Amino acid sequence: DQQVKQNSPSLSVQEGRISILNCDYTNSMFDYFLWYKKYPAEGPTFLISISSIKDKNEDGRFTVFLNKSAKHLSLHIVPSQPGDSAVYFCAASDPSGSARQLTFGSGTQLTVLP
Amino acid sequence: ETGVTQTPRHLVMGMTNKKSLKCEQHLGHNAMYWYKQSAKKPLELMFVYSLEERVENNSVPSRFSPECPNSSHLFLHLHTLQPEDSALYLCASSQGTGDDQPQHFGDGTRLSIL
Repeated sequence: DQQVKQNSPSLSVQEGRISILNCDYTNSMFDYFLWYKKYPAEGPTFLISISSIKDKNEDGRFTVFLNKSAKHLSLHIVPSQPGDSAVYFCAASDPSGSARQLTFGSGTQLTVLP
Repeated sequence: ETGVTQTPRHLVMGMTNKKSLKCEQHLGHNAMYWYKQSAKKPLELMFVYSLEERVENNSVPSRFSPECPNSSHLFLHLHTLQPEDSALYLCASSQGTGDDQPQHFGDGTRLSIL
């Protein structure tokens, strides 16, 4: 059973508009969340993260929101640009065990239309 | 350039072959990881090394054998693989495993088992 779910496999947005990518998780032990972006033939690139003690983290055009009670996080990109077209992965980290491990969602393909 | 280099980028091998995947990081990190990404599935953690010692092994079959000779290099030795082992293998590194440090990924090795 997937502990991190990205229920939308794809999303299309017009250039200049807001892109909202969603992620749900089931494990209440997760305390650190990350978003990665992946272009074809490249590895995932770290984008932005948020600790469970916060509900928002912003970096330029990218903002991540965390709703712990709903076990939901979202990534907002505004304004969206054609270069943002990529697969976006949500990941969550669990502090238990001998080493932090990342659990990934299956990704959302974002297409920003010019 | 992510600072994590994986070679080869593509590998085709028969089920009876022995080959190795190589990962090198130039970021001064002290933790390294192997992930597997099969088609239509999330990234799955295979191995974690911290300070050159294996700290996690997520029930990976013994036909996959990791080696971490120093904090900058990580290998994945492959022998008698199965067709279902065809996947993208990603290496990552981070500054520690216990802190809230993002993992930085290489571009992966696309492995095909004939």
